[in-house]
Amino acid sequence: AQSVTQLGSHVSVSEGALVLLRCNYSSSVPPYLFWYVQYPNQGLQLLLKYTSAATLVKGINGFEAEFKKSETSFHLTKPSAHMSDAAEYFCAVSENFGNEKLTFGTGTRLTIIP
Amino acid sequence: ETGVTQSPTHLIKTRGQQVTLRCSSQSGHNTVSWYQQALGQGPQFIFQYYREEENGRGNFPPRFSGLQFPNYSSELNVNALELDDSALYLCASSSRDGNTEAFFGQGTRLTVV
Repeated sequence: AQSVTQLGSHVSVSEGALVLLRCNYSSSVPPYLFWYVQYPNQGLQLLLKYTSAATLVKGINGFEAEFKKSETSFHLTKPSAHMSDAAEYFCAVSENFGNEKLTFGTGTRLTIIP
Repeated sequence: ETGVTQSPTHLIKTRGQQVTLRCSSQSGHNTVSWYQQALGQGPQFIFQYYREEENGRGNFPPRFSGLQFPNYSSELNVNALELDDSALYLCASSSRDGNTEAFFGQGTRLTVV
């Protein structure tokens, strides 16, 4: 069975500050890992994915995440927060890629302080 | 825009009724997955269809059923609606053969009263 834990249901950072959203996973097989963003009343947009290639993954909108097997973590970072980054962020894990059955975390709501 | 479209965008149903939600997958994709996202929660996997066959199911009762058509579009049917079925229902399409990640539609907001 797989699971994802997102530490911090709400995170607030000042505009221009570092964004760090935490995700720890549990998987019995080598995982595929994903970060999605959801704006109010919208679907999910893929930010980035880890598919067993490079451990440091770069995504859209300046976000990146590092896969650390020893820590079972896949934290999302962005060096400088922008007001438009305010949204809900979900970490997800899957055993497959291409027909993934995603297991999501409970989400982290990111607020940007002007 | 992902090319995955869902209809309707919103609907309200009464407890005990039945509902059908629709999803058109992105061109070239042959796999459709459905998720339920309750308010304030992460999406929960309902089931997946690949080439018109169910290919995995989450922890949802049999009153949740689905179909996939030859053009790879899909339907989610829910019978005997309960208040707890109120949620955002998300459809995701991907290509198992083409090895691409899932792209999500905008969702259908279902309210059961």
